[in-house]
Amino acid sequence: ETGVTQTPRHLVMGMTNKKSLKCEQHLGHNAMYWYKQSAKKPLELMFVYSLEERVENNSVPSRFSPECPNSSHLFLHLHTLQPEDSALYLCASSQVVLRGRPGELFFGEGSRLTVL
Amino acid sequence: GEDVEQSLFLSVREGDSSVINCTYTDSSSTYLYWYKQEPGAGLQLLTYIFSNMDMKQDQRLTVLLNKKDKHLSLRIADTQTGDSAIYFCAESTVSGNTGKLIFGQGTTLQVKP
Repeated sequence: ETGVTQTPRHLVMGMTNKKSLKCEQHLGHNAMYWYKQSAKKPLELMFVYSLEERVENNSVPSRFSPECPNSSHLFLHLHTLQPEDSALYLCASSQVVLRGRPGELFFGEGSRLTVL
Repeated sequence: GEDVEQSLFLSVREGDSSVINCTYTDSSSTYLYWYKQEPGAGLQLLTYIFSNMDMKQDQRLTVLLNKKDKHLSLRIADTQTGDSAIYFCAESTVSGNTGKLIFGQGTTLQVKP
């Protein structure tokens, strides 16, 4: 138990569906992240929210839409996805620190997404 | 740019030492990390090293950093079957007040009994 909970753990959706992934952290952290994990590829940082403001968007397609209503919750809204979007989506949280060291990232167990 | 590279697979026998290697590109990284991912789980921090250090030892784990060559390695002594997992190297960068971690592809460690 890392203190970061993701739901659902598994999701199968068609290309025309709309679904959302949810992440909740119970660690009192003030930064949250979405990463995409595909086989044999580097872990890909998708979005960073620090103090509830989006500070990073690595040119992720607009069919992925993040939402961070407060420092404990993070969502990833999905619509009109493609089969190549099938992957494990990992949420993480950390404490923002100044001048150098990013706080340790605590990861959830991931949401395994399959797009048919 | 930011890039982290690792070999994809390593197989060792139980009791042997494992050495997992990583190269990174951002010379300004202040910390470098090793994370472990067990099947069906998220990543968990194993250890980290500050960029002004050459070596860090923590029980069975030894991290070596060659800053000149931007090369990081993780040595696991007396490897056990429970060490079988994917190991990720990560470098840290800071943008404003927010740090982010750039990960490699992960090295799958297979430990044979």
